Amino acid sequence: DAGVTQSPTHLIKTRGQQVTLRCSPKSGHDTVSWYQQALGQGPQFIFQYYEEEERQRGNFPDRFSGHQFPNYSSELNVNALLLGDSALYLCASSWDTYEQYFGPGTRLTVT
Amino acid sequence: RKEVEQDPGPFNVPEGATVAFNCTYSNSASQSFFWYRQDCRKEPKLLMSVYSSGNEDGRFTAQLNRASQYISLLIRDSKLSDSATYLCVVKDSGYSTLTFGKGTMLLVS
Repeated sequence: DAGVTQSPTHLIKTRGQQVTLRCSPKSGHDTVSWYQQALGQGPQFIFQYYEEEERQRGNFPDRFSGHQFPNYSSELNVNALLLGDSALYLCASSWDTYEQYFGPGTRLTVT
Repeated sequence: RKEVEQDPGPFNVPEGATVAFNCTYSNSASQSFFWYRQDCRKEPKLLMSVYSSGNEDGRFTAQLNRASQYISLLIRDSKLSDSATYLCVVKDSGYSTLTFGKGTMLLVS
C-alpha cells in the first residue's frame, strides 16, 4: 500500500514565477492538507481540501491556491513567487478528520 | 504570543541520558495533542499521542496538563538513533488541522 506521494521532490524557481506542486493521498484517504515548513521552523498549515472543496485555510495570502480532484489527489499553486516562499511543502492525507499521514515533501527554492 | 511554544534547542546529550522536552499551548479549547519526530530533511512522523492520564511507549513518556496548558516528553536511555527534531503538535476541534511548535533538536552522541 503506497503512502502519500508528492512531486516533484525538488524544484528551483525564480521570483515572480508560478509553481504547481502535486500530492497523491494514501489509499482510502479523502482529505488532503498542505503545510509550509521554512528552515528552522515547524510546519504551518496552508489549507485543507475535502470533497473537492477548500474546507479550512490558514493565514496565507491568496497567492496560495489549491485544488482537489475526484480521485482525492491535490495540487498546491503558488503565484508571483517571493524569496520567502522557499520552504519544504508538505502534504498530509487523512480519512476525514482522523490521523494525518505526511508525504516526503517538495523542497522549493526561489532565487 | 505563539500558539505552540517549545524549548529552544539543540539539546546535546550522551547516550544513555534522560532528556525532557517541554511545550506550552495557548488555545485552551485544543482537543488533541501529539509529539512528532522529524529527521533531517524528512517528513514529520507521529511519535505518540498525549493523554491527560499520561502515556508511555517503551523509553518514551508523554504527559499533558490541561490546566497549565503544558505538554512534556521524556526520553529515557537515549540512543544515537533518537537524534532528530521533536515537534509538539496540537489539534483543535473542527477539521483536524495541526498546529506545530518550532521543534527542539536532540543530538545524542
